[in-house]
Amino acid sequence: GAGVSQSPSNKVTEKGKDVELRCDPISGHTALYWYRQSLGQGLEFLIYFQGNSAPDKSGLPSDRFSAERTGGSVSTLTIQRTQQEDSAVYLCASSYRGVSGNTIYFGEGSWLTVV
Amino acid sequence: DQQVKQNSPSLSVQEGRISILNCDYTNSMFDYFLWYKKYPAEGPTFLISISSIKDKNEDGRFTVFLNKSAKHLSLHIVPSQPGDSAVYFCAASAIIYNFNKFYFGSGTKLNVKP
Repeated sequence: GAGVSQSPSNKVTEKGKDVELRCDPISGHTALYWYRQSLGQGLEFLIYFQGNSAPDKSGLPSDRFSAERTGGSVSTLTIQRTQQEDSAVYLCASSYRGVSGNTIYFGEGSWLTVV
Repeated sequence: DQQVKQNSPSLSVQEGRISILNCDYTNSMFDYFLWYKKYPAEGPTFLISISSIKDKNEDGRFTVFLNKSAKHLSLHIVPSQPGDSAVYFCAASAIIYNFNKFYFGSGTKLNVKP
């Protein structure tokens, strides 16, 4: 597709349930990032994939969060046993290569509400 | 430890005047800087960028200035238009441990009054 595609665009889930958020990066982009933005907060880095390298998971807030990227393209962010503080918009971004001077482009986000 | 800071959470400007949004950073390894614009219920959209080898980059009404010695960058919007009302994020990137990492400020909400 022309841009970064994320699904679902909105998700309401009960506390304790697991959720999966999907990201389809721009075709040809090898670097993929997940961020989240909680209400009134800035962009919080979660995880970064670059090609076939081991991902940078340094931003994942707890072991309930995990992500994978299959075939170097689509990525899934999984949140297990969701808590109310997980409510946020989860933003995926991609860039052509993970090198200096590259711009990252964001999707529209997946808005997660945990009730 | 926030490496990119936007100290003004909000800014209000009259239509037609200049909007100046500021951003400070702490890490001298940053070599590429970007501005993003975000409307409510949408993802951030890329606006303009600047490499650390330059001190100015201009694109239409938008100009980004970089002062490396002060570790400061700013975005100028001239003339400001009501459609510019949005949250603006600055970002800085560097290759750290072979990863191209991006660090974002907390955003400045710009309101352009008609």
